[in-house]
Amino acid sequence: GAGVSQTPSNKVTEKGKYVELRCDPISGHTALYWYRQSLGQGPEFLIYFQGTGAADDSGLPNDRFFAVRPEGSVSTLKIQRTERGDSAVYLCASSLSATAASGANVLTFGAGSRLTVL
Amino acid sequence: AQKITQTQPGMFVQEKEAVTLDCTYDTSDQSYGLFWYKQPSSGEMIFLIYQGSYDEQNATEGRYSLNFQKARKSANLVISASQLGDSAMYFCAIAGGYNKLIFGAGTRLAVHP
Repeated sequence: GAGVSQTPSNKVTEKGKYVELRCDPISGHTALYWYRQSLGQGPEFLIYFQGTGAADDSGLPNDRFFAVRPEGSVSTLKIQRTERGDSAVYLCASSLSATAASGANVLTFGAGSRLTVL
Repeated sequence: AQKITQTQPGMFVQEKEAVTLDCTYDTSDQSYGLFWYKQPSSGEMIFLIYQGSYDEQNATEGRYSLNFQKARKSANLVISASQLGDSAMYFCAIAGGYNKLIFGAGTRLAVHP
């Protein structure tokens, strides 16, 4: 597609439930990133993929969080046993590649998935 | 480790005036890139401008320019001729050896008519 697509745009769930958030990157972008943005804060890095593999998952807060990108395109962020502290906007971004940053290789973000855990 | 510090939680400017949003950074990388993104109330992150650590000229993109002072580790965003549509959150970010952006806490800009 023309931009990064994220679904659902809003998700309300109960504490302890399992949720999946989907990201469809820009066609041809090999790198895909997940960020979490809590209210009033800047985006916080979670994980990035180069192709199908998770190249850096150092930002995942704990083992309840997991992400996959099985075919190198669409990615799913999975959160098990959700907690109220997981409430945030989850942003997905993609770029041509994950090589050195440049003005020609900027991250393009989706509109985000707002997760509310009751 | 990389870090971005944005010391201005909020700024306001009169329409048609210029405004400077501050950003300082810390990194141990020799090669890095600095980015500014705008986030309107709709929530979308919009890329504004990029500055590479080896670029000798300050980056400019239309009404946006970046005042890059490498020795002071600062990369301030200058918006000229502010418009009402410039009201938004602005984030400074840094990326090192690969394209992993580390963001600051942001500055909320309000443009007054």
